[in-house]
Amino acid sequence: LAKTTQPISMDSYEGQEVNITCSHNNIATNDYITWYQQFPSQGPRFIIQGYKTKVTNEVASLFIPADRKSSTLSLPRVSLSDTAVYYCLVGDIQTGFQKLVFGTGTRLLVSP
Amino acid sequence: DAGVTQSPTHLIKTRGQQVTLRCSPKSGHDTVSWYQQALGQGPQFIFQYYEEEERQRGNFPDRFSGHQFPNYSSELNVNALLLGDSALYLCASSLSLQGVTGELFFGEGSRLTVL
Repeated sequence: LAKTTQPISMDSYEGQEVNITCSHNNIATNDYITWYQQFPSQGPRFIIQGYKTKVTNEVASLFIPADRKSSTLSLPRVSLSDTAVYYCLVGDIQTGFQKLVFGTGTRLLVSP
Repeated sequence: DAGVTQSPTHLIKTRGQQVTLRCSPKSGHDTVSWYQQALGQGPQFIFQYYEEEERQRGNFPDRFSGHQFPNYSSELNVNALLLGDSALYLCASSLSLQGVTGELFFGEGSRLTVL
């Protein structure tokens, strides 16, 4: 399973755009990139998933360069409620029996 | 549509005891995974169940065992509890169909404290 590296923590202010970059140099051909968000004492929540180029949904965008060795989660105009831990995961999800490996994540603190 | 439900939400045990945690997957899901999350750490994969069989296992000792029932619900059992087993235990459900996006739906977790 590909190992991921992401910043331990980030600080931002309300209304700003936040970009969290994840490095995954050993990503395999069949691997997808998935981001989860976790609030204290709650289970992680799926944010977005992609394979290449750009993916956008109602809460975030995911940018993946052509070599797929990194990815960037972009959160537009963050609010205080976006304070959470964000996990980048890489794995083959096509079989349905994926074994996701979580790292330590990035702790995002959004201030007023 | 109920999401993933886990019970109990909190429990306290002493070293050497045994514990059973329960999970009901999201409606329509047939695969259940269990994760252990220590304070300040990311979730660590324990094992995954599908069709009542353990399909994948993480790096956890045999003291950790599980079961999946015909209705897809699952149990996690931990024997001979150690202080280091204190953690939030998360259950996640998913659909096994090939080609389906790999979104896992997590429950709120069971907080286990071992004294």
